[in-house]
Amino acid sequence: NAGVTQTPKFQVLKTGQSMTLQCAQDMNHNSMYWYRQDPGMGLRLIYYSASEGTTDKGEVPNGYNVSRLNKREFSLRLESAAPSQTSVYFCASIKETSGTDTQYFGPGTRLTVL
Amino acid sequence: GNSVTQMEGPVTLSEEAFLTINCTYTATGYPSLFWYVQYPGEGLQLLLKATKADDKGSNKGFEATYRKETTSFHLEKGSVQVSDSAVYFCALGSSNTGKLIFGQGTTLQVKP
Repeated sequence: NAGVTQTPKFQVLKTGQSMTLQCAQDMNHNSMYWYRQDPGMGLRLIYYSASEGTTDKGEVPNGYNVSRLNKREFSLRLESAAPSQTSVYFCASIKETSGTDTQYFGPGTRLTVL
Repeated sequence: GNSVTQMEGPVTLSEEAFLTINCTYTATGYPSLFWYVQYPGEGLQLLLKATKADDKGSNKGFEATYRKETTSFHLEKGSVQVSDSAVYFCALGSSNTGKLIFGQGTTLQVKP
């Protein structure tokens, strides 16, 4: 049971390049989330998927797209990377969206955009 | 809208000192409250939670009580260890989407 896994761990991009961050969970969780972490700002929600086949915008969705490929996988795509997207990205999952369940986090992807 | 405010860091303590990290929230309804911890180079992991007013969450010597009257969820530990050095996040949970709203995080450094 690996929990939540993310690839890659580190990535350096040039402005304008594209890339996809991958996330998978093996806990049979229904909901999945993408956050970004910036110094002094905590974690902010980019997009989430409450269930397979649905996605919704979070607090900071501009410049990103997501795909809930199946129940296990939820990817985040940067179509044209900008320096403002330099951040640490975390994927998380939760069994039910009751508001009381624990979110489980992946180890993060550290992205630098030059 | 809903929000969480944490005390500014960093917090530097000597081993065996008493720890308090303040957390207050603004929310409609009665959300669940969480403390997550992030050790260097790792993702976040749940430290403790409380799902209703007056509940006390506890784990690994840490405690926090859900106070509706003061809209607070302060984290405390009676005697910190060097291994407690980490970033601590207070968070508020949404009951219909499972989304978490985080405070800005407080860095704790414990010196031997």
